[in-house]
Parts: sequence; C-alpha cells; structure tokens
Amino acid sequence: DTGVSQDPRHKITKRGQNVTFRCDPISEHNRLYWYRQTLGQGPEFLTYFQNEAQLEKSRLLSDRFSAERPKGSFSTLEIQRTEQGDSAMYLCASRPSGPSYNEQFFGPGTRLTVL
Amino acid sequence: AQSVTQPDIHITVSEGASLELRCNYSYGATPYLFWYVQSPGQGLQLLLKYFSGDTLVQGIKGFEAEFKRSQSSFNLRKPSVHWSDAAEYFCAVGYEKLTFGTGTRLTIIP
Repeated sequence: DTGVSQDPRHKITKRGQNVTFRCDPISEHNRLYWYRQTLGQGPEFLTYFQNEAQLEKSRLLSDRFSAERPKGSFSTLEIQRTEQGDSAMYLCASRPSGPSYNEQFFGPGTRLTVL
Repeated sequence: AQSVTQPDIHITVSEGASLELRCNYSYGATPYLFWYVQSPGQGLQLLLKYFSGDTLVQGIKGFEAEFKRSQSSFNLRKPSVHWSDAAEYFCAVGYEKLTFGTGTRLTIIP
C-alpha cells in the first residue's frame, strides 16, 4: 500500500512525558500536513510543510509542540511535557504540488492518550 | 476567517432511503470544498471535491454534492443509502489549511 502511513497507531503515556509521532507521506508528495482531532470534533490544522520548510503553524501548536521534516520526506511531531488535554487523534496528510490543485490524502492517525 | 458549519450532529436514516447532509461555509475567495468520510478508528477518506466548474460534483460510493454560492452551501446527497455508509461525515473548506466542520454522524437502520 502506498498511502500515508503513521506510527505508532496508538500511544498511551503519562502526563509530563515526551512523545514523538512519525508520518510517512505518499512518495513524491512534497506537501505534508498535521491535524489534531479531539473526540466529537473535526480535525484542526496544526502545521504544514513544503519539502523541508515549515510554512505555517497554527496557534494551537504551543511551545510544547514541534514538528520537523528534515529531509523533505517523513515528518515527526513531538509533544513535550504532555498534558491530559493533548489526548487526541493526530492526523497526517500529504499532497503533491503542481500546476493543478490536488486534495490532501490522510493517514490512519495516531491516537494519543495521556493519563 | 474561513469556517464550516454542519448543523446536523446526528442523522438516522433507513437503509435504501435518500440522504442529504448539510454544510455551510464561510470563505473569502472562491472556495475549495471537500467532503470526507471517517469510519470508527480510521483516517479520512475523500468522497468528493469542488474546485471550480460544474456545481454538481460526483464522488465515490454514489455520493454527489451541489455547490450553491448564493447560499454558501455544499450539501452532500445520496439517493439510496447502504448499511456500509454508516460513518462520520466531514465537510471542509480551504486550500493549504483545511477547516473542517464538527461532523455529522450517520446511523443506518435496517
């Protein structure tokens, strides 16, 4: 399967711990997006990359959150000093850029539970 | 600021009945509009999209949606639902940064 993949699929951690999630986009998709989805809500935009450049960050992305895409391929999202309010599904999406607009393709998500 | 409103939190329909899910948006320019479906524990799958052109767009699984600029709406329709359509449906607007509605949960009864 050549879709967007995310690892891990589930993560349970204790409050105050650091966690890191990985996203592998569809090959040759140079745009990569992170969203957060809490229970009963739609996904909310966090940040996006074009290749290795982080072009926009939401105000939702507090100082405890950092995202990287060092080689323009996979991306990581790290949350430091996790809080119970960080419990959510973290979704990654990718799309190609080009002369015509293409939609974002989503991965299965990483569900984070902070105890 | 862009926004999406899905006024129906939960809809229940009988299998074989028709379906319409409502979506209203706010966007400063010509909108890029999407409908995604999410099954429990799964990511989002694109049903259909509108960028420009014909205001009635066809998608996968027999879904269609109509863009009405005057009403700022992009409602999703299906003439006859199947039990497998039970899921959460999200309307979204945007270009790079997508703004999603809160979703409509669809329940199908036999």
